[in-house]
Amino acid sequence: DSGVTQTPKHLITATGQRVTLRCSPRSGDLSVYWYQQSLDQGLQFLIQYYNGEERAKGNILERFSAQQFPDLHSELNLSSLELGDSALYFCASSERPGVTDTQYFGPGTRLTVL
Amino acid sequence: DQQVKQNSPSLSVQEGRISILNCDYTNSMFDYFLWYKKYPAEGPTFLISISSIKDKNEDGRFTVFLNKSAKHLSLHIVPSQPGDSAVYFCAASDPHRSGTYKYIFGTGTRLKVLA
Repeated sequence: DSGVTQTPKHLITATGQRVTLRCSPRSGDLSVYWYQQSLDQGLQFLIQYYNGEERAKGNILERFSAQQFPDLHSELNLSSLELGDSALYFCASSERPGVTDTQYFGPGTRLTVL
Repeated sequence: DQQVKQNSPSLSVQEGRISILNCDYTNSMFDYFLWYKKYPAEGPTFLISISSIKDKNEDGRFTVFLNKSAKHLSLHIVPSQPGDSAVYFCAASDPHRSGTYKYIFGTGTRLKVLA
């Protein structure tokens, strides 16, 4: 158990809909990262927050947005969903945003868009 | 454009023998490399890392080797155990001028250790 929690575990929805994925980092961790893993792909970095502020951005679509709240939990919002958005979405956290700060991953949310 | 490549999707090794997982990268600016292990229905777990200023890092049964001139790194597991059966992801840190960075992950190699 990494200490990072993600809800829900599974999500099934239809094209065009909007969903929110939630992540609670490990106690004491200030930095949160979101990744997408599509079938047979590596983890694609989406976005990073540190203490409530956006720190780094990857290949995140404009239909996707995220935020980190004062209590440090984070939400990833996916809108106008398409079939290709079906994937595993992982959240990770680290104590600080440094490159050598180990990222601890949650168990992921599996999103299925029908 | 896959900047971090794991060309072997799967690998089978006998228990007790050495497992060697390979990873190639294309960007010479990458300065920090990691290996993560992933079991089914779980998130990836950090295994070992290496800075670009080193060519070897060892942690128990796990050793990572970095060959910067070849842009290649490898993970050696000796001796391999059935509990090592998992998907292994190689990752590289892509630094930005702003001081931020992001991890670029490979597509993973599924290791199966046979008892």
